[in-house]
Amino acid sequence: GQQLNQSPQSMFIQEGEDVSMNCTSSSIFNTWLWYKQDPGEGPVLLIALYKAGELTSNGRLTAQFGITRKDSFLNISASIPSDVGIYFCAGQLSGSARQLTFGSGTQLTVLP
Amino acid sequence: DAMVIQNPRYQVTQFGKPVTLSCSQTLNHNVMYWYQQKSSQAPKLLFHYYDKDFNNEADTPDNFQSRRPNTSFCFLDIRSPGLGDAAMYLCATSVGSSNQPQHFGDGTRLSIL
Repeated sequence: GQQLNQSPQSMFIQEGEDVSMNCTSSSIFNTWLWYKQDPGEGPVLLIALYKAGELTSNGRLTAQFGITRKDSFLNISASIPSDVGIYFCAGQLSGSARQLTFGSGTQLTVLP
Repeated sequence: DAMVIQNPRYQVTQFGKPVTLSCSQTLNHNVMYWYQQKSSQAPKLLFHYYDKDFNNEADTPDNFQSRRPNTSFCFLDIRSPGLGDAAMYLCATSVGSSNQPQHFGDGTRLSIL
């Protein structure tokens, strides 16, 4: 089956620093999604990417759909304490049920 | 306002005692999913309903069942919970005919005594 490699597994950064995380796949996806999950909560969609090469921003967050359709990155600029959480990438194929393949997650800790 | 609602948020049951988790949605999405998520891991798909059609993942244990009585509601039944079934259970919905992303509920944290 398809697998997503997400890195880094965890990050400790100072408040105000920029953050970058990425996902790579052995096969192509039609859609890349980035979710954030806080402790005890469900994943919340941050950014959805639908076209190869697409670069999309959501406030301080920027994500790109790799040109090969096998990778994506997420950048967070000027991190703040509420950015703490686990970030998951997910790839989605065309098909009737739009099932997701998740990365293993990046645990982000922001130090004051 | 919450659009995918899971109840209860926390559930405690005894080893071997059947338990049902519920999910409701106000999005009118035709696909509903159930995921199991263990600590520090990604969500793992158990099964999904595409309209009324049930689709089980190959590695989902028989102990897990689901019901979808109408578009808005979906239930996860665990017939004989074992200690290894303690996890967060997430419900998600999507529109099956589009590439729009899945929307998740806040999950039910299941503990087994």
